[in-house]
Amino acid sequence: QVQLHESGPRLVKPSETLSLTCTISGGSISSYYWTWIRQTPGKGLEWIGYVYSLGGTNYNPSLNSRVTISVDASKNQFSLNLKSVTAADTAVYYCARAIDYGEYYFDTWGLGTLVTVSS
Amino acid sequence: QSVLTQPPSVSGAPGQRVTISCTGSTSNIGAGFDVHWYQQVPGTAPKLLIHGNNNRPSGVPDRFSGSKSGTSASLAITGLLPEDEGDYYCQSYDTSLSALYVFGTGTRVTVL
Repeated sequence: QVQLHESGPRLVKPSETLSLTCTISGGSISSYYWTWIRQTPGKGLEWIGYVYSLGGTNYNPSLNSRVTISVDASKNQFSLNLKSVTAADTAVYYCARAIDYGEYYFDTWGLGTLVTVSS
Repeated sequence: QSVLTQPPSVSGAPGQRVTISCTGSTSNIGAGFDVHWYQQVPGTAPKLLIHGNNNRPSGVPDRFSGSKSGTSASLAITGLLPEDEGDYYCQSYDTSLSALYVFGTGTRVTVL
């Protein structure tokens, strides 16, 4: 059974870059879309973007200028970089696997990691 | 601001049936895009409950069912159990300037 695990700094200073990695175990990164989603009390669940196992990406237009999602197939990992963060980026960040059937849904989620933006 | 609106809360006694609505627009549900549902027990990650409007992943009880009509969708829970308490979110695809993949505002289900 595929499991996902987020890792990275839990505290990031304003204006710096938030970086998280999702490690996939129990399955291969190949032939799937891999997604980052965040959750805040105020905005609920927000899709950040996805990367395909071969590297193609698609991002939330509201975050597009600040987001980069990349994949490292050799490590069975994919990563999120969100630059120029503010307090509004404080959230629980989830990585998830997206099932593509022409549309997408998210069938496997990591446990999530709370990232706080504060000086 | 989510483009999919859900009631903040619903409640029911054990054994009862509750429904959760998910209201969208002509840029998402009304455009024919599917609706998916997730259950989130407080303090845990969301879990896929229904995909493609009314398809249950393996392991999800048939007490959970989904439907879609026009610009809205619904999730029904029959035979309500205490372990059904939690937050429920709908999700769909949106063609407006918002995020491509959008979630509902979420509904807290309370078992009385």
